[in-house]
Amino acid sequence: KAGVTQTPRYLIKTRGQQVTLSCSPISGHRSVSWYQQTPGQGLQFLFEYFSETQRNKGNFPGRFSGRQFSNSRSEMNVSTLELGDSALYLCASSFSPKETQYFGPGTRLLVL
Amino acid sequence: QKEVEQDPGPLSVPEGAIVSLNCTYSNSAFQYFMWYRQYSRKGPELLMYTYSSGNKEDGRFTAQVDKSSKYISLFIRDSQPSDSATYLCAMRRHGGSQGNLIFGKGTKLSVKP
Repeated sequence: KAGVTQTPRYLIKTRGQQVTLSCSPISGHRSVSWYQQTPGQGLQFLFEYFSETQRNKGNFPGRFSGRQFSNSRSEMNVSTLELGDSALYLCASSFSPKETQYFGPGTRLLVL
Repeated sequence: QKEVEQDPGPLSVPEGAIVSLNCTYSNSAFQYFMWYRQYSRKGPELLMYTYSSGNKEDGRFTAQVDKSSKYISLFIRDSQPSDSATYLCAMRRHGGSQGNLIFGKGTKLSVKP
């Protein structure tokens, strides 16, 4: 069974631009969560989706948004990029919100 | 005070050593405790999952939870160079979802041959 896939794997953007990251969960998984990982703050929860509905949202500004499609694939968008948005963005999927999560390899975003 | 504290290391040990990794937490509502391993340029993978207090063993790995002290540990016996990675503790409260975990910052472990 294929694991969680994230595209693109690497991305370079400039301040003020926007970016969209994509996550394809493991087949059959309906729950998708997003995390931001930085050396200073570690892994921080962004949001969680289940059956196209956002269940939880972390403490991030409104520039960070996401959505989930009917096939469980998910995207997250960051508008008006700031230097501090440089991070590894990780997606994790599970059968349901109570089940074990499996992480993808992440998208490494560099904002210049 | 952060909800979850974890010494970032780095921790360097010789092959075959017993490794002890620890986290402390402040929220007494946490009931589920996890340890993840993250290799360089990879996503975290779940190693151990425990509920409430007690011990859990899986091969060379043992997870311990002491809720009275708000302290969790991961022990690695007979450590191998392939164990070199960053180890992250994570936890959530009862009723919370797996998608809303609170992570420690991770401890970087290096096992030297």
